[in-house]
Amino acid sequence: DAKTTQPNSMESNEEEPVHLPCNHSTISGTDYIHWYRQLPSQGPEYVIHGLTSNVNNRMASLAIAEDRKSSTLILHRATLRDAAVYYCILRRNAGNMLTFGGGTRLMVKP
Amino acid sequence: DVKVTQSSRYLVKRTGEKVFLECVQDMDHENMFWYRQDPGLGLRLIYFSYDVKMKEKGDIPEGYSVSREKKERFSLILESASTNQTSMYLCASRGGDQPQHFGDGTRLSIL
Repeated sequence: DAKTTQPNSMESNEEEPVHLPCNHSTISGTDYIHWYRQLPSQGPEYVIHGLTSNVNNRMASLAIAEDRKSSTLILHRATLRDAAVYYCILRRNAGNMLTFGGGTRLMVKP
Repeated sequence: DVKVTQSSRYLVKRTGEKVFLECVQDMDHENMFWYRQDPGLGLRLIYFSYDVKMKEKGDIPEGYSVSREKKERFSLILESASTNQTSMYLCASRGGDQPQHFGDGTRLSIL
């Protein structure tokens, strides 16, 4: 799987939007962009994924650059429960392995 | 909601013991996975299984084996536990091309 680059940490204020960036300049045409998050003392939790178009679900939105070399996970109103490590991962369609990098530790201030 | 259940949250074993970590999923998923998570190293895939009795090595299979006798259950076995196998172990399952669903992990300490 191609590599992704994320900032080590970010801070946000509660109830403000958060934009978590991810660079994936070596992405191939069949790589899906997946986001997972891991809350303290829990396993990773699926957030969202996309291929080319922007995606929305009840948890977040995913904005994908036109050249697909970067993407942004958007949390529209951060809550204290959103404090977690967020992982951006590329996965080949039907590929079996997920390769987790270091992720971004999101801290949310009240 | 998909539920992936790992039998223990915390486990302490001694060097040389044979250790069994159990994982059960309730969504009839074909694919199941075992990872370990260590600080600074992220998640690393140990083994995965795409069907009953089928298994494939991941990135770090040495010192581990797996068993999948029933579709819903995937076991990770440490044949002779060593201190460098102290880690957080995560099980996951996936149906078709859907996202993976993870259990809450087993924090294993080998003394």
